[in-house]
Amino acid sequence: DAKTTQPNSMESNEEEPVHLPCNHSTISGTDYIHWYRQLPSQGPEYVIHGLTSNVNNRMASLAIAEDRKSSTLILHRATLRDAAVYYCILQRGPNAGNMLTFGGGTRLMVKP
Amino acid sequence: EAGVVQSPRYKIIEKKQPVAFWCNPISGHNTLYWYLQNLGQGPELLIRYENEEAVDDSQLPKDRFSAERLKGVDSTLKIQPAELGDSAVYLCASSEGQGARNEQFFGPGTRLTVL
Repeated sequence: DAKTTQPNSMESNEEEPVHLPCNHSTISGTDYIHWYRQLPSQGPEYVIHGLTSNVNNRMASLAIAEDRKSSTLILHRATLRDAAVYYCILQRGPNAGNMLTFGGGTRLMVKP
Repeated sequence: EAGVVQSPRYKIIEKKQPVAFWCNPISGHNTLYWYLQNLGQGPELLIRYENEEAVDDSQLPKDRFSAERLKGVDSTLKIQPAELGDSAVYLCASSEGQGARNEQFFGPGTRLTVL
């Protein structure tokens, strides 16, 4: 399985932007890059996903490197409620059942 | 719109006892997943259903774990007998399909403690 590498933890100040990096050097051409986050005592929730182009939605932005071997999740203005574990996941293509394989994620701590 | 519902939220049992978890996915979602999450780790897929058919159960320890999804809606995951190492959070998720654009919606999970 294609794997992702993320820092174990990161810290941010409230109301400042946060850039969460992810390396996925073995990504294949049909793999989508997904980000999920998991708040304490809850199940994971979808944040954003992309294939090649940068993506924006109401929660975050996803910047994908031109060679697709890395990506960055951008929270434009961190709030205390953004404190969670953020998972960068490669979703395999249709031949692999479009499965999500979670890694260890990055624990984001937000300081007031 | 109601999300994925799981019950119970917490379960404490003694080893060698049986236990069952129940999941009600979001209405209209054909794909249902069961994940196991150990403390400090990401979720790991146990089984995936497309309607009532288990299409990927390669990670399900079939000697003690079983699952069913009758009528392609609700699903039950069972462990019999439970072992100490089964203590974990069991997550259920559903999606409209298995395409790359179909996000998975997760329930809150059932936290199992085996004593």
